[in-house]
Amino acid sequence: AQSVTQLGSHVSVSEGALVLLRCNYSSSVPPYLFWYVQYPNQGLQLLLKYTSAATLVKGINGFEAEFKKSETSFHLTKPSAHMSDAAEYFCAVSESGATNKLIFGTGTLLAVQP
Amino acid sequence: ETGVTQSPTHLIKTRGQQVTLRCSSQSGHNTVSWYQQALGQGPQFIFQYYREEENGRGNFPPRFSGLQFPNYSSELNVNALELDDSALYLCASSWDQGSGNTIYFGEGSWLTVV
Repeated sequence: AQSVTQLGSHVSVSEGALVLLRCNYSSSVPPYLFWYVQYPNQGLQLLLKYTSAATLVKGINGFEAEFKKSETSFHLTKPSAHMSDAAEYFCAVSESGATNKLIFGTGTLLAVQP
Repeated sequence: ETGVTQSPTHLIKTRGQQVTLRCSSQSGHNTVSWYQQALGQGPQFIFQYYREEENGRGNFPPRFSGLQFPNYSSELNVNALELDDSALYLCASSWDQGSGNTIYFGEGSWLTVV
């Protein structure tokens, strides 16, 4: 079964600093990969999605992620953090097959310090 | 705004009771899935419905059941509630059932079991 590992349950950065949230997946075939953001007391919002069309995926709010097959990674980055980026971020993988099931990591809570 | 709406937003139930949660999918989406997100955890897949049939299920007992209606809206029913069922229940919809289709989440229903 596929799985997702997010290293670092809490990440703190200063406003204007680089944001790097780590995600590694286990899969024997190229998967579909997603990053979602969850603001307090809200549902999940899609940030970006990897579908094998390009290894560097650009998402909303200035975020991007790079798919690296050799490292089985799909890390999320943003060049300059903003206070409004404070939220929980989830990496997810979609199992191949007829069911559109997402397997989520445990999440990374991003704090942005002024 | 994802176009996925859920009701109720919050509810409190007593152990042993039954609960029904409702979801309207985004217009044009024929696939609905449900996830359980316990506090501090990533969402866990409960099941998926495609054109009124369940076509995928996670590791949840049979007391978790669902329905999808001809207009593609959906219900999640949980019988014999246990304290551990306290969680955020997320409904999600997608254009089609297969893996890789972008999944859009609602704001969730917070269930507290006392």
